[in-house]
Amino acid sequence: ETVMTQSPATLSVSPGQRATLSCRASRNINTNLAWYQQKPGQAPRLLLYGASTRATGIPARFSGRGSGTEFTLTISGLQSEDFAVYFCQQYNNWPLFTFGPGTTVDIK
Amino acid sequence: QVQLQESGPGLVKPSQTLSLTCTISGGSFTVDDYFWSWIRQSPGKGLEWIGYMYYSGSTYYNPSLKGRVTLSADTSENQFSLSLTSVTAADTAVYYCARGLVVAGMEVGFDPWGPGILVTVSS
Repeated sequence: ETVMTQSPATLSVSPGQRATLSCRASRNINTNLAWYQQKPGQAPRLLLYGASTRATGIPARFSGRGSGTEFTLTISGLQSEDFAVYFCQQYNNWPLFTFGPGTTVDIK
Repeated sequence: QVQLQESGPGLVKPSQTLSLTCTISGGSFTVDDYFWSWIRQSPGKGLEWIGYMYYSGSTYYNPSLKGRVTLSADTSENQFSLSLTSVTAADTAVYYCARGLVVAGMEVGFDPWGPGILVTVSS
């Protein structure tokens, strides 16, 4: 199984600042990585796939990059609605759809 | 826009079968462009993919669940279902159904998700 890890576990950021989240895969997943946002009491929402392609309706302040085993999600100009938990998920290797443990972005 | 809603019992006894249904509104199960999936989330295991299926009937399951999972569909009701046998406390989780996104022939992820249903395994 491809194990996904994320760092840091918690990131404290001031509104309007930039947040950079990391995700690492235990083996090569090319660019077959998705990111999700989850707010308390809600289901996750797809943000990006293909490491950098925004899903429908996702604002441009969310961007992603990386390939192979190292990936980043950047949120530029954090808004109040962006404080949430973010998960990465690979879809390159079987079993498909393994998720990282998440990074919590909270208000500094 | 497509919306999904999970339904089923919130409490299941150990060794019994967990059965959940996902009702799709604003869209149809009988399309080839998407797949349909179940995912669960627990404090101990995080997010765990359970399985997915296509309208054509093809099904794929997470091998970690060791053959305890079956997905099925009722196209007349625009629903698909999850059956998980021989449950233990480790199966306690919030269960989500979700539509799967296919891009360039690859299953890439899930969008949208249902709100989730908490299922507790306890006697």
